[in-house]
Amino acid sequence: GDSVTQMEGPVTLSEEAFLTINCTYTATGYPSLFWYVQYPGEGLQLLLKATKADDKGSNKGFEATYRKETTSFHLEKGSVQVSDSAVYFCALSDYGGSQGNLIFGKGTKLSVKP
Amino acid sequence: GAVVSQHPSWVICKSGTSVKIECRSLDFQATTMFWYRQFPKQSLMLMATSNEGSKATYEQGVEKDKFLINHASLTLSTLTVTSAHPEDSSFYICSAMRTGLAGEQYFGPGTRLTVT
Repeated sequence: GDSVTQMEGPVTLSEEAFLTINCTYTATGYPSLFWYVQYPGEGLQLLLKATKADDKGSNKGFEATYRKETTSFHLEKGSVQVSDSAVYFCALSDYGGSQGNLIFGKGTKLSVKP
Repeated sequence: GAVVSQHPSWVICKSGTSVKIECRSLDFQATTMFWYRQFPKQSLMLMATSNEGSKATYEQGVEKDKFLINHASLTLSTLTVTSAHPEDSSFYICSAMRTGLAGEQYFGPGTRLTVT
């Protein structure tokens, strides 16, 4: 079945450091890919998404490119801030652009130190 | 906008009792709501899809008689864990999808259930 694998955390960085969180997927069809973020004490929020190969999702300085050839959707940010400390989840959906039936990775906790 | 609440945020109950968790979309209507379960350091696992006015669709391996789901209105879905046991202790998260807008799911903050 479909699955998502993302790098184990926790990840600890200093402010203004470069961030990469790796995510790879296995899917039978052509899934849409998502990154969600969960700040402490809050629900998951959609951070960015991409619905087809070579699409780049971006939001709040974060970017991820849908790479079909490597089945990857790595999350990057050029300069992290303390406020980016959260848990990040990579997810896929085989329902086109809809987010029905999301399949999540295990999450990666990011801590950014001042 | 697009806020989803869950109540309670945490609950402790004795083995054999039942616990009800509420999921509400506060400022939008949601025809479809989802219930997930999350174990420590694990993925969110979809338990069931709840559609307003109809029976929920359960994922393989999820006991529908143990995890009762009711989606009686466009803003409220409930999950009742019946005859809870310690192995049911987990973090339960709901999400809601806007009516008429096939797309983004909005997540609640989760409910921590501990069964003693």
